[in-house]
Amino acid sequence: DTGVSQNPRHKITKRGQNVTFRCDPISEHNRLYWYRQTLGQGPEFLTYFQNEAQLEKSRLLSDRFSAERPKGSFSTLEIQRTEQGDSAMYLCASSPPPGTGSYEQYFGPGTRLTVT
Amino acid sequence: AQSVTQLDSQVPVFEEAPVELRCNYSSSVSVYLFWYVQYPNQGLQLLLKYLSGSTLVKGINGFEAEFNKSQTSFHLRKPSVHISDTAEYFCVHNTDKLIFGTGTRLQVFP
Repeated sequence: DTGVSQNPRHKITKRGQNVTFRCDPISEHNRLYWYRQTLGQGPEFLTYFQNEAQLEKSRLLSDRFSAERPKGSFSTLEIQRTEQGDSAMYLCASSPPPGTGSYEQYFGPGTRLTVT
Repeated sequence: AQSVTQLDSQVPVFEEAPVELRCNYSSSVSVYLFWYVQYPNQGLQLLLKYLSGSTLVKGINGFEAEFNKSQTSFHLRKPSVHISDTAEYFCVHNTDKLIFGTGTRLQVFP
């Protein structure tokens, strides 16, 4: 078990460019979550998947954001036409299937996005 | 709305002193409460969780928390802190997705 991994760890981009982040969850976890954390704040929920189905999206997830999990394994988060306000740490987490009694979400190290 | 409130943004304390980080939650049908810790330049790690049963829950690194339904609180405590406990601590409400408090920065001084 190598834990949740995220790539890249850091991304610097110019305003208006598109960026894509990848998350690889723990292999036996069927739930995958994306959060965003800005400086001095707690992480905020963006969206989550159960297998390949996207079950919930936050109002924070504007039309410029899209997330996919095509085969129920890794997930990608794309931000189109980035804005300076998108600068944040993007966190991915995964959790075991419901009913296992765990309820814990395991977090990756995050991708730090800086929009200049 | 389901949420958690962390009452202190920063808590400075000397090494080996006791500490309490305060958290209040809004009432909900199901109350799954966690404390996560974020060490400098590291990912979030679960300290402890309350799902049901005993109201005193013990976690890693000597931390414990007490679920108090009447006061809607879930305060985190440690009887004697170490320099290595310096980190950001988040009180979290689990409703499928996690709802994080704003965090409390614990700064332990020698």
